[in-house]
Amino acid sequence: NAGVTQTPKFRILKIGQSMTLQCTQDMNHNYMYWYRQDPGMGLKLIYYSVGAGITDKGEVPNGYNVSRSTTEDFPLRLELAAPSQTSVYFCASSEGSFGANYGYTFGSGTRLTVV
Amino acid sequence: GENVEQHPSTLSVQEGDSAVIKCTYSDSASNYFPWYKQELGKRPQLIIDIRSNVGEKKDQRIAVTLNKTAKHFSLHITETQPEDSAVYFCAASKGPGGGNKLTFGTGTQLKVEL
Repeated sequence: NAGVTQTPKFRILKIGQSMTLQCTQDMNHNYMYWYRQDPGMGLKLIYYSVGAGITDKGEVPNGYNVSRSTTEDFPLRLELAAPSQTSVYFCASSEGSFGANYGYTFGSGTRLTVV
Repeated sequence: GENVEQHPSTLSVQEGDSAVIKCTYSDSASNYFPWYKQELGKRPQLIIDIRSNVGEKKDQRIAVTLNKTAKHFSLHITETQPEDSAVYFCAASKGPGGGNKLTFGTGTQLKVEL
């Protein structure tokens, strides 16, 4: 049981490049999330999904896109990378059922630098 | 949307003392309040959580209290140890009905000194 797996762990992008951050979970969780964490700050929600085929914007969605074609996978796409997207990105999942465990399981994070 | 404020931003205690971190939230519809511990360079880890139908929850040396009327909740760590040193985040959500989207506080850097 691997939990939530994120790849890559580190990446340096040049301004204007694009990339996809991969996230997969093996816990059969319905809900998945992408957060970014800037130095000394809390986590900000980028996008989330409550099930396959359903995605919605969080607090800071500009410059990002997501898809959820399967329960397991929730990739985050960065188009036209900008220095403001330099951050640590965390993927997370939770069960999503009423009365169940509401706690998040986080991936190990992706440290992205845009230069 | 929800706004979660957390205080203090840094907290230094002597080993064996207690530590208290406080958070307030703005949306009265929030009903789930977890606390996460994040060590340097690591992922956040859930340490304790509480739902709005409960006023207090305890797990060994850590406890969380919730005051729904005042819209604030607190983390209490007793008999602190050096391994408790980390950044602690509070968060709030409306549960599965609202997508269980967590709004996080800005974190408290706890340092336990020998």
